[in-house]
Amino acid sequence: GAVVSQHPSWVICKSGTSVKIECRSLDFQATTMFWYRQFPKQSLMLMATSNEGSKATYEQGVEKDKFLINHASLTLSTLTVTSAHPEDSSFYICSAGPRGNNEKLFFGSGTQLSVL
Amino acid sequence: QKEVEQNSGPLSVPEGAIASLNCTYSDRGSQSFFWYRQYSGKSPELIMFIYSNGDKEDGRFTAQLNKASQYVSLLIRDSQPSDSATYLCAVPTGGFQKLVFGTGTRLLVSP
Repeated sequence: GAVVSQHPSWVICKSGTSVKIECRSLDFQATTMFWYRQFPKQSLMLMATSNEGSKATYEQGVEKDKFLINHASLTLSTLTVTSAHPEDSSFYICSAGPRGNNEKLFFGSGTQLSVL
Repeated sequence: QKEVEQNSGPLSVPEGAIASLNCTYSDRGSQSFFWYRQYSGKSPELIMFIYSNGDKEDGRFTAQLNKASQYVSLLIRDSQPSDSATYLCAVPTGGFQKLVFGTGTRLLVSP
C-alpha cells in the first residue's frame, strides 16, 4: 500500500539550532501534505498545509517564520524548525494522500523533537 | 474552525467487553468522519471512516453516525488488551485530506 516516510524518527538538539524534518510519499504523488504537532497527552494539532510549488498555508497561531515549509517536488515536503527552543519539543507528524483520491490518507511515522 | 469533542478518559473495560467511544462535532455540515487509533509514540492508524447515517461494521469495530444529533461513536466488540490505545475522532475541514482531530479517548483493556 501507499506509504509516507518521515525522517528522522527522533532528534535531540540544542536550543537555538534549526532542525529539518522530511516527509516523503514513496509510491504516489502528493500536491499537498499536512504537518501536525502533538504535545504529550494531547491531540494532533494541524500546523500547516504544504503545497507543491507554492507557499504553505499556516493555521492560526503558527509562526510561518519559525516553521519553514518547503514542498519542492510532488513527493517531498520538509518542515524546518528554526531557532528551536525547549517549548518546541513535540511530536511532529506529516500526512499525505494520493492526488485525486480523497479517501486515502497516510501518516508518517512521526518525529520526536527534544530541544535541550 | 470545526470543533471535535471527545472524553479524554481513560475508559477502562475488561477483556472481552464492548468498548464504546463517543465523539461530537460542531459543524452540522460535516459529511464524513474518521476514527484513528494511536499507540503511544506512534502515528495514527485509520480504523474506519463513515459518511452515512447509521452503522458501519468492520470486524470487531462498528462506527455509528447520527448527523441530526451531531455525534459519531465507535464500538469495539470483544475488546483485547492490544486495543489499549488512544482513539481519535477526526473530521475533514477545507478538503478531505485536511483533518481536525478530537482530543482523543484513552482506552484501557484489562486482561
